[in-house]
Amino acid sequence: SQELEQSPQSLIVQEGKNLTINCTSSKTLYGLYWYKQKYGEGLIFLMMLQKGGEEKSHEKITAKLDEKKQQSSLHITASQPSHAGIYLCGADLQGYDMRFGAGTRLTVKP
Amino acid sequence: EPEVTQTPSHQVTQMGQEVILRCVPISNHLYFYWYRQILGQKVEFLVSFYNNEISEKSEIFDDQFSVERPDGSNFTLKIRSTKLEDSAMYFCASRWERENYNSPLHFGNGTRLTVT
Repeated sequence: SQELEQSPQSLIVQEGKNLTINCTSSKTLYGLYWYKQKYGEGLIFLMMLQKGGEEKSHEKITAKLDEKKQQSSLHITASQPSHAGIYLCGADLQGYDMRFGAGTRLTVKP
Repeated sequence: EPEVTQTPSHQVTQMGQEVILRCVPISNHLYFYWYRQILGQKVEFLVSFYNNEISEKSEIFDDQFSVERPDGSNFTLKIRSTKLEDSAMYFCASRWERENYNSPLHFGNGTRLTVT
């Protein structure tokens, strides 16, 4: 199975709070991608991670890929209403085209 | 910035009818994809296409589905005889390369297909 597990399924946070979303695979992740989707719209690429231990940041969003390359986390610092949406991890697994986790629905309360 | 465009944005069709969903991938990309998302569910892989042939397809992509790149710019998904359960958002995506795992997919805004 190329299943990617994301947790939590949904998250409600108060504006200004930090949060973390996780993505776990039972297989080695050769490329790990984070996307954001607003309701009824396409997927917007956020960040890409390839190397074990790699960490990338963009504005207030930081993503990490663990050393074993089987888990990634997305961390948002000081959340804002504009961060609301569905966050999906996508992964290149050897021999398969990109598959996605089920997504984490983030609500940020002002 | 170049983008993937999909038409139409919304398609309503009757059960049993054929539909063609159209996509224009980013011009220098080599790999093309279709995904679908049933309302409230996950984004599911349908098919990938490279060098004018299917490179991978999922179990969803049965004989009712076909893809084509009829010219140098368009990429289409055809459903021959639509069923109610084909109602979903269909996303086209493209990427520059795949082998080095360092090229993200770029997605279109999707076509919402409603089968009545």
